[in-house]
Amino acid sequence: EAAVTQSPRSKVAVTGGKVTLSCHQTNNHDYMYWYRQDTGHGLRLIHYSYVADSTEKGDIPDGYKASRPSQENFSLILELASLSQTAVYFCASRSQNTLYFGAGTRLSVL
Amino acid sequence: GQGVEQPAKLMSVEGTFARVNCTYSTSGFNGLSWYQQREGQAPVFLSYVVLDGLKDSGHFSTFLSRSNGYSYLLLTELQIKDSASYLCAVRETSGGNYKPTFGKGTSLVVHP
Repeated sequence: EAAVTQSPRSKVAVTGGKVTLSCHQTNNHDYMYWYRQDTGHGLRLIHYSYVADSTEKGDIPDGYKASRPSQENFSLILELASLSQTAVYFCASRSQNTLYFGAGTRLSVL
Repeated sequence: GQGVEQPAKLMSVEGTFARVNCTYSTSGFNGLSWYQQREGQAPVFLSYVVLDGLKDSGHFSTFLSRSNGYSYLLLTELQIKDSASYLCAVRETSGGNYKPTFGKGTSLVVHP
C-alpha cells in the first residue's frame, strides 16, 4: 500500500505570513500533486511534479509555489498567506492510474 | 480544457442501490477514475475505466460512454457505511502529463 504522509495535519497562520506544507512518499512514485479542497469547489490542482527538481503549474497556481527537492518530498509554499487560502490541502502520488492521497492538512488563515 | 460535472447530493435506502452520475467535456479523453471520500478523510481510489461499457467490481460497478461524455458509479446492496462523497476524475491527454481533473463530488446519504 502506497504511503503518503503530510505535515502538519493542521495549521493556523496569520495573513501575510509564510506557510510551508510538506509531503513525503515512500513508494518511489514519479508523479506527485498538491490539491486544495473547499466546500463547493471540490479538489482543485495547484501544482504537480513528475520528476525531482521540476514542478508544473496546475489549474490554480496563483499565490502558491512548489518544491520537489527529491523523489520522496514535495512541498507547497504560501509566501504571503491570505484569507482565501483557508482550505484543506491534499498531497497525492501516482502509480499507473491510481492517486494515493495523504491524510490532508487543514489550513486556517486568520 | 475540460469540465467535470456531478450532482451535489444523492439519497438512497439501505439494501437498495445508488447510481452516481458524472458528465465531462474534454478535448482528449484518456481515462476516468472514481474515488470515495468519507467525512474528514482522504479520497480513496475505487475504479478506473477507459473503454466503453460496464465494469463490474462486485459492490461497485462503473459504466462509461465516451461518445456521450458520461460515466456512472453503481453501488448495489447499499449499507449505511456507503454514505460518503464520490468523486469523478477525468484524465485529459495533454502533452503526455498525467493531470486528472476532479468533479465537485456527489454526497451520498444512505438511510435505514
